Order: sequence, then C-alpha cells, then structure tokens
Amino acid sequence: QSALTQPASVSGSPGQSITISCTGTSSDVGGYKYVSWYQQHPGKAPKLMIYDVRNRPSGVSNRFSGSKSGNTASLTISGLQAEDEAEYYCSSYTSRSTLLFGGGTKLTVL
Amino acid sequence: QVQLEESGPGLVKPSETLSLTCTVSGGPISDYRWTWIRQPPGTGLEWIGYLYYTGNTNYNPSLKSRVTMSVDTSKNQFSLKLNSVTAADTAVYYCARAKDSSAWTHFDYWGQGTLVTVSS
Repeated sequence: QSALTQPASVSGSPGQSITISCTGTSSDVGGYKYVSWYQQHPGKAPKLMIYDVRNRPSGVSNRFSGSKSGNTASLTISGLQAEDEAEYYCSSYTSRSTLLFGGGTKLTVL
Repeated sequence: QVQLEESGPGLVKPSETLSLTCTVSGGPISDYRWTWIRQPPGTGLEWIGYLYYTGNTNYNPSLKSRVTMSVDTSKNQFSLKLNSVTAADTAVYYCARAKDSSAWTHFDYWGQGTLVTVSS
C-alpha cells in the first residue's frame, strides 16, 4: 500500500492559520472516520494531536482542528506559534484492517 | 502516568533476527492494543502491527511473513521479532499504546524510540 499523500512542506507566520492535507482513497481516508494526526519534533516520539478525524485528546490546544471531505483529510492550525514548528503525519485505517501513514509534512513557522 | 520503554540490541547483522521488548509501567498491559511503529532515518512512519494482551495480532501485510509479536502479562512487557533483516529494516522502532481499549487506530502513549541498525 502506498503512503497517504501529504505536502512535503508548509509554512506560515506567527498568528496565521495553515492547513495540511492528507489524501488517500475510498479504501482508507474516504471510507472510514479513523483518521489521526501526529506532531513530531526532531528526535522525539510522535504526539497524538487529532483522532477519529476531528477529536482532540485532552491537553491538546484547541488551535488544532481536523476535518475530512471525501478522500482528503485536513489538519488546521490556527494562531501559529513558534512551538508548532515540527513534522506532521496523518494516518488512516484501511479496508485491509491495517494502518497507513502519510509521508509527513514539515511545518515551518517563519 | 503510563510509560513505555523499548529495549534491545542497537545493531543487528543482515539475515539475522531483530528482537525488541517494550516494558509498560504506570498501568496494566491488559485491555489495550499495543503497537510497533518504525521510522527509517529521515523518513516517515510505518505501522508494523499490533497485539492485544490476549495474544491476538494484526500485522502489516508487507512485513507479515517476517514479524512475530508476543506479550508477557506477568512482566507487563510485549515484544517484536523481525527475521531475515536487511539494511532496509534500519529504523527507529517505537512501541505505542492505542488510546482506547475499544480501538487501535490512534496512539496516545509512545516509547522514546530505539534505533536499530542493520549492518555487518
């Protein structure tokens, strides 16, 4: 299975909003509500930011939000802060009862 | 606070078996699904598979023929074995816990990761 498609990089200035897309197929992103997003800082383990498309775990800032339309899921970060600079990965459950990750998106806060 | 810690050799020879253990502290290993995920240097994440404390497993089809996962509830540990390794298996290996006991698709507790290099 090919990885879900994410842009290699996105950037934004402090205070702005950015959106990272995650495109799959009807056999993964489009077919299920089980899309998650992770934030990973260099040398650190990933951190769960969004699960089941739009749910935030306790302790995650409400500046992070998730959505889905068709075969594309999106992560929006509003009010960008310097600490948001990191790599972001999406993941999705698939029709083969497996989990597929995206290739990752590097967010740069200008 | 649940904590996970991976342990095992950092260097494995080609064609041999990679063996890692994840020790869970601060909470029971029962009632959750436990996952292994890897990340080759400078690249993205790859799901390896998960196991339930009962021993039920679900592996990535691309690795299924080489992967075995097991659990030791008495030690609050679970393990990964990957046989016939090649350089392509060089990666940081993470163990993680599924957030909810009823689901396995997202992970809220992760180990710090351990780098395993395959080289002679």
